[in-house]
Amino acid sequence: EPEVTQTPSHQVTQMGQEVILRCVPISNHLYFYWYRQILGQKVEFLVSFYNNEISEKSEIFDDQFSVERPDGSNFTLKIRSTKLEDSAMYFCASSEQAGGRSEQYFGPGTRLTVT
Amino acid sequence: KNEVEQSPQNLTAQEGEFITINCSYSVGISALHWLQQHPGGGIVSLFMLSSGKKKHGRLIATINIQEKHSSLHITASHPRDSAVYICAVSFNNDMRFGAGTRLTVKP
Repeated sequence: EPEVTQTPSHQVTQMGQEVILRCVPISNHLYFYWYRQILGQKVEFLVSFYNNEISEKSEIFDDQFSVERPDGSNFTLKIRSTKLEDSAMYFCASSEQAGGRSEQYFGPGTRLTVT
Repeated sequence: KNEVEQSPQNLTAQEGEFITINCSYSVGISALHWLQQHPGGGIVSLFMLSSGKKKHGRLIATINIQEKHSSLHITASHPRDSAVYICAVSFNNDMRFGAGTRLTVKP
């Protein structure tokens, strides 16, 4: 069964450094998403992406964040100048159709630790 | 303002019991999702629904659009059902999540 994959599974970085989290969505999916979950808290929406541009973003997704689909398979989340409060699990997801018209499939997550 | 409210926060049951988890939301939505988060952190989609009722095996999800309320039922619960169950709602291309219900099923 096709699945969303994410790399790395765990990333440790120092405050102020840039990190890139990578995702490979399911191949025939057209909509891509990033979410984060701070330890012990609920999952939060960051951004959705379709047709090579951002379609929705939350107030969390400020100028330190960016997303890109650099080739036909990868979908990346870049965090510039990481802060301690960026420590969280980051989930990528993909779906065939937008919003509530099809299920989202989640990757296993990348645990980001900022020290 | 929390747009998605779940209850209970924690639930402990004995194996074989019938489980109900409730979700209320405050705004119009495209669809409602029930997700399962395993102890390792992975998230699996259980249901997506915009009306009526869906059933997969021992899991049943219902939604009442007028009352802005959904329930997830687990029949004949088993220890392997132990997980966090999350209700989430879709608007356009984003999703808002409830805080989750931690279910523990004891043998």
